[in-house]
Amino acid sequence: AQSVAQPEDQVNVAEGNPLTVKCTYSVSGNPYLFWYVQYPNRGLQFLLKYITGDNLVKGSYGFEAEFNKSQTSFHLKKPSALVSDSALYFCAVRDGSSGTYKYIFGTGTRLKVLA
Amino acid sequence: GAGVSQSPSNKVTEKGKDVELRCDPISGHTALYWYRQSLGQGLEFLIYFQGNSAPDKSGLPSDRFSAERTGGSVSTLTIQRTQQEDSAVYLCASSNTGWGNTIYFGEGSWLTVV
Repeated sequence: AQSVAQPEDQVNVAEGNPLTVKCTYSVSGNPYLFWYVQYPNRGLQFLLKYITGDNLVKGSYGFEAEFNKSQTSFHLKKPSALVSDSALYFCAVRDGSSGTYKYIFGTGTRLKVLA
Repeated sequence: GAGVSQSPSNKVTEKGKDVELRCDPISGHTALYWYRQSLGQGLEFLIYFQGNSAPDKSGLPSDRFSAERTGGSVSTLTIQRTQQEDSAVYLCASSNTGWGNTIYFGEGSWLTVV
């Protein structure tokens, strides 16, 4: 069975500093990995995904994530945080080898960027 | 349509009543998903539909919950005899079934059971 862990409930970072939001996963086959962001009272918005290829993927709003197979991690990063990045971030995984289209989400990490 | 559309956006219901939540996926998307997000919780998978295949109902929390998808498009999530613990945001998402497809979410239906 596939699973995702986001070990931090909240991450605080000063504006202009780099940010990292952590995600680790477990799947038996090939991992398809995703990051989504949720602003207050809104649905989830897609940020980026890793399917195959280059381990560093770039997405919307200057975010990027690095796939690390040996550590089964897919951490979200941004070189310079903005106050407007404050939101709830979700990591998700799908087992690309199983034939299932079931996406499992983590519990979310609240990012707070301080001015 | 341009995005996933959900209705109602907000619903307050009395304990014991039945509710129906509707989802209209992105045009052409063959897969449709329902998730539940409770206050302070992550996203809980409920059910997904994939084309004409039997739906994966493995996430439905009890037999009070059911969902159907008519004509491969619009879906309705029904909660019978609502309980206070059913209060949550119910999120619908859809995708095509291409390799590495991305799922796109609607704005959600906020359900409050009083």
